Parts: sequence; structure tokens; C-alpha cells
Amino acid sequence: QVQLQESGPGLVKPSQTLSLTCTVSGGSISSGSYYWSWIRQPAGKGLEWIGRIYTSGSTNYNPSLKSRVTISVDTSKNQFSLKLSSVTAADTAVYYCASTYYDILTGFYPIDYWGQGTLVTVSS
Amino acid sequence: SYVLTQPPSVSVAPGQTARITCGGNNIGSKSVHWYQQKPGQAPVLVVYDDSDRPSGIPERFSGSNSGNTATLTISRVEAGDEADYYCQVWDSSSDHHVVFGGGTKLTVL
Repeated sequence: QVQLQESGPGLVKPSQTLSLTCTVSGGSISSGSYYWSWIRQPAGKGLEWIGRIYTSGSTNYNPSLKSRVTISVDTSKNQFSLKLSSVTAADTAVYYCASTYYDILTGFYPIDYWGQGTLVTVSS
Repeated sequence: SYVLTQPPSVSVAPGQTARITCGGNNIGSKSVHWYQQKPGQAPVLVVYDDSDRPSGIPERFSGSNSGNTATLTISRVEAGDEADYYCQVWDSSSDHHVVFGGGTKLTVL
């Protein structure tokens, strides 16, 4: 059973860079069949997909955030990370890391594993 | 980009049937997944590929998808079903980005 755990600062100042890490346990991040995603949810609002990374390092980002987002993977630590630059109060949210299985014949499966989420507040 | 539209809220009495819709252009041609999210918790998959249920999800949860509307149906609603529900698809027109609906708050009266 794969488990995901987010970690990082809970408070970030405006204009600075938000950095979070997701540690994967119970499976290898290099398995080759999974994509690893970041999703966020402002208080009282819906889910917003931020982007994803494949074990090869290939990334895809939400166009609305693409200019500020970098997702990377560290296979030696079984972790993947999120950096969001030039943050404002609008970036205050619970940030989730999640995983999705991919099959070359049938495509993307639903998001199957989620971290518990971590609240990041942008405030001076 | 692809847009999914859900009603903000649905209310139903215990024991009745709740239907939560998810509208999108020709959504019937896509696989729709549904997640349940209770306060303070991460979302949980309740229906995938339009109408399949993961193990451990009660048979009361079912789904359908045709034309421009996908529907999550919860039969014999219980108090414990009160939650936010989100539909999700992979947008093949934009490199398979994840698209979520805006979410529907299910209230059990």
C-alpha cells in the first residue's frame, strides 16, 4: 500500500517561494508506472491540479500556474517536490501530493493515493 | 481548456436517492471519476471509469455517463454520506491535464 506524506513550511511570506516535498513509502517512485501530482485546495473551495511529474523527470503543469511552478523528483530519496514562486495570499491552501497509475495501452487511471494534505499560509 | 460543471449543493433525506451531475462538452466520450471528501480529509475515490466502484465502496454508490452529463447516484443515502463530491477527467486535448469539477456539497437532511 503506497503512502504519501507532504512536508514543508506552513508559513511563507508574500513574493517568496513555496517549497514542499512529498515522501513516498510502500512503493518505489521509480516504478515506471506512476505519475506523481500536486493538487491544492483553498479553504472552502474546490480542488485545483497544479501539475505532475513522471519518474523520468517529464512534467506537465496547469497552464494557469505554469510560469511559477517547478516539480522535480529525487528517486534516491523516493521523494518529489513542488516549488511555487512569487506567492501571494491567493496561494494559501491545503496542498496535496497524489499518485496516478498509467498504462501505455489504457492511459491514465484515477488518482488513487493521496497524502493527508498540508496547509500553507501566505502571510507577512 | 476543458470545463466540468457541478451544482454547488444537493440535499436529500436519509434513505432517499441523491443524484449529483457533472456537465462537460461531450463528457460521454471521456472516463469520469468521482471523489468524496469529508471535512479535514483527503479525497477518496468512490467511482471510477464512469461506473466502477473501488473495493470497499458500498454498492449504494453508482455512476453513469452519456452525452454531456455524467451522474453520481447514491442510493439509500445515510448521514455518513454527507460530504463534498468532485468529478474528474483527463483532458486529452491538453496533454492529459487533470480537470476537476467545482464540487457539490451533499447535505443529508
